[in-house]
Order: sequence, then C-alpha cells, then structure tokens
Amino acid sequence: DAKTTQPPSMDCAEGRAANLPCNHSTISGNEYVYWYRQIHSQGPQYIIHGLKNNETNEMASLIITEDRKSSTLILPHATLRDTAVYYCIVRAPTNAGGTSYGKLTFGQGTILTVHP
Amino acid sequence: NAGVTQTPKFQVLKTGQSMTLQCAQDMNHNSMYWYRQDPGMGLRLIYYSASEGTTDKGEVPNGYNVSRLNKREFSLRLESAAPSQTSVYFCASSEARGSYYGYTFGSGTRLTVV
Repeated sequence: DAKTTQPPSMDCAEGRAANLPCNHSTISGNEYVYWYRQIHSQGPQYIIHGLKNNETNEMASLIITEDRKSSTLILPHATLRDTAVYYCIVRAPTNAGGTSYGKLTFGQGTILTVHP
Repeated sequence: NAGVTQTPKFQVLKTGQSMTLQCAQDMNHNSMYWYRQDPGMGLRLIYYSASEGTTDKGEVPNGYNVSRLNKREFSLRLESAAPSQTSVYFCASSEARGSYYGYTFGSGTRLTVV
C-alpha cells in the first residue's frame, strides 16, 4: 500500500471549514484513499473514501487531485466535537486470499483541534 | 446497538501473568483484527483473521496469540505479560462491499502491565 504524508497538527475555528491535506505521491491506479478519525480514547471511525472523483457524504467531502498524488478532506462546518486525529490511508480494494487482505495501515495522522 | 464489543475495558496485570482479551461483533463481518496503540502513536496491527478459521500475523505479533472462535468472536491472549505490552488494544471487524472497506472498531481495552 502507498505511503501517506500528513501534517502533524492543524487548528480550525468552530464553524469554519477544516481542510486536511494528505500527500500520497506513490499511489497506484487501483488504490483508494480512505479517511478515518479517532476521537480521544475511542476507536477510529470511518469517514469517507474515494478513487479519483470527488466524494461527499453527511460527514465530509473528499477532493482528490487529477493526478491522484494528493487529497484533501473537508469538514465544511467544524464543531468542537470534530477535534480528533485524522488518518489518511491508501490501499487497494479487498483482495481475498492476498497477503494484504483486509489490513489498514494507520500512520501518525493529523491532530485537528477545533477551537471556539 | 450493533457493533464491536470488547471486554474488559480496563485491566492491570503483573509481569508474567496471562490474560485473554475478548472481542465479539454482531454485524456478520468476515474479517476481524487486533490493533494496539501506544501513547502518541498510530495503531499497529497485531493479528488478523480474514475469515472464520484463519488467522495471520500482523506487524507486531510477538508475545500474543489469537483464536477465531467462530464468525462473531476473536480473542487475543497474552501468555506472559510484559511491561512493553502496556497499551490500548482495539478490536475491529470489517466488511467489503465493492470499493468500500469499512472498519468498525470497539471502544478499546486499556491494559497496564506492572
């Protein structure tokens, strides 16, 4: 799976958009970009994923550059409850029987602090 | 609510003691995982089970054993606990629907080995 690079920390004002960048310059053609977040002391939570088109769900938007070497997770109206560690993960879809089957590799992530 | 249940939530062990961390999911997921998370670090995979009846080592398997008891349950055993195993342990299960590979995590077990 391709490696990802994220800034170690970011701040955002409550009510503003939080834009979290992720660099994945070695991404392969069949690899997806996944975002998870971990609120203090809890297990990580799935947010969104995408291949090359921009994606949006009730939690966030994912913008992937045309060359797919980087992406941005957007929380449109950040709240204090969005303070968490955000993980950007790149991996291929499930490959039953393969050695990488099912595994997600979590890096250091970005600590997002939303302040009043 | 459906999800992943881990027991116990907290545990203190003495060096050399053994214990089993329990994990159960009720979402009919095929795959289950055990991760550990040390302070200020990301999650590291200990063992995983792609499907019932199979288990495989992850990134940091030394000092641990696992059992996939049935489709619902996946336990992690520490045979002889060491202070280096002080950590927060997360169990997870996953499903695969096309490109969606969503993990559901438990709330964690906070283990201290003294």
